[in-house]
Amino acid sequence: QKEVEQDPGPLSVPEGAIVSLNCTYSNSAFQYFMWYRQYSRKGPELLMYTYSSGNKEDGRFTAQVDKSSKYISLFIRDSQPSDSATYLCAVLYNDYKLSFGAGTTVTVRA
Amino acid sequence: DTEVTQTPKHLVMGMTNKKSLKCEQHMGHRAMYWYKQKAKKPPELMFVYSYEKLSINESVPSRFSPECPNSSLLNLHLHALQPEDSALYLCASSQVRGSNQPQHFGDGTRLSIL
Repeated sequence: QKEVEQDPGPLSVPEGAIVSLNCTYSNSAFQYFMWYRQYSRKGPELLMYTYSSGNKEDGRFTAQVDKSSKYISLFIRDSQPSDSATYLCAVLYNDYKLSFGAGTTVTVRA
Repeated sequence: DTEVTQTPKHLVMGMTNKKSLKCEQHMGHRAMYWYKQKAKKPPELMFVYSYEKLSINESVPSRFSPECPNSSLLNLHLHALQPEDSALYLCASSQVRGSNQPQHFGDGTRLSIL
């Protein structure tokens, strides 16, 4: 079983919509969760980093962790065409192992 | 712009060539990583350096040889690569090795093997 499962999409939304991205993880011991954004021909950019359960907000981005259901989510409010990218969820464990989901490609239509 | 700088951005090489990829970070991070990313796939870990020492090798073929000359630099030496080694090679760093230490990536070197 993979550590993290993510629907690869693709996802297409109109400008201004809320983008909702979700992942599930396999091991209830995982504590550190990340969302990365990757533009075409660029490296992954760390977007959000959360520990344990709850919400974390940064501008238009909100990351949620629900440990009871082993679910992690990223919400993008007031989406912009510049948000068009691939979003990767990830868990960090065993000191160095960064296990990624498959990535969801998001297109925000102007 | 990222704080992890990788050169060159693109590299085309034949199967008999020897080349090197370079990575530099000035964030004072003491853990550095090499990843390989194929098209439409997530990155896969290759090597981990911690305090300039190789601490993890994820069973990578010997035609890939990492080197960490100092705490800011990480190299990946390439020799006798195969066409299936064509990929985006990403360098990352974190403050130290640890599950609470997020990794920051460079923009990668896009490698094509002829």
